[in-house]
Amino acid sequence: GAGVSQSPRYKVAKRGQDVALRCDPISGHVSLFWYQQALGQGPEFLTYFQNEAQLDKSGLPSDRFFAERPEGSVSTLKIQRTQQEDSAVYLCASSATGYATNEKLFFGSGTQLSVL
Amino acid sequence: GDSVTQMEGPVTLSEEAFLTINCTYTATGYPSLFWYVQYPGEGLQLLLKATKADDKGSNKGFEATYRKETTSFHLEKGSVQVSDSAVYFCALSDKGFQKLVFGTGTRLLVSP
Repeated sequence: GAGVSQSPRYKVAKRGQDVALRCDPISGHVSLFWYQQALGQGPEFLTYFQNEAQLDKSGLPSDRFFAERPEGSVSTLKIQRTQQEDSAVYLCASSATGYATNEKLFFGSGTQLSVL
Repeated sequence: GDSVTQMEGPVTLSEEAFLTINCTYTATGYPSLFWYVQYPGEGLQLLLKATKADDKGSNKGFEATYRKETTSFHLEKGSVQVSDSAVYFCALSDKGFQKLVFGTGTRLLVSP
């Protein structure tokens, strides 16, 4: 597609439910990033994929958070047993080349997760 | 660890006014510095960047200069427009342009 696409745009979950958030990066982009943006805060890095390999997951806040990109294109961020503190906008971004290059990031519009 | 501090908003200006949004950073190395903009309902977009001390990034009339001595990267525009209303994020990266540390964002509201 023309840009990074994320779905759903909004997700409401009851505390304790599992959720799955989808990201379709720009076609052919090697790198894919997930960021978490809490209300009134800047985005914070969660994890990074180069093709299908998850090379950095240092930002995942707990073992309830899991991300995958099995075929090196679409990625899913899964949150198990959601808690109220998981409420945030989850941003996906992609870039054409690998990590630590000077290739710019393209961001999606995000999925706003509200945990009640 | 690395961090970015931005002035709190909202910043409210009239059209054609001069804009400054302050940004300072803390980093152990020599990071690249960025300004991203988020228009309502849209994704973050890279506005401008600078990769070394004294570099000036510029785009769409916005400018920012990498000041190593004051660890700052203030965003300026000489004459703002209503269409500049958005949230502006200062960010840094130790490696490349992708794994970013963001500030908390500053909302700019420009009235006609």
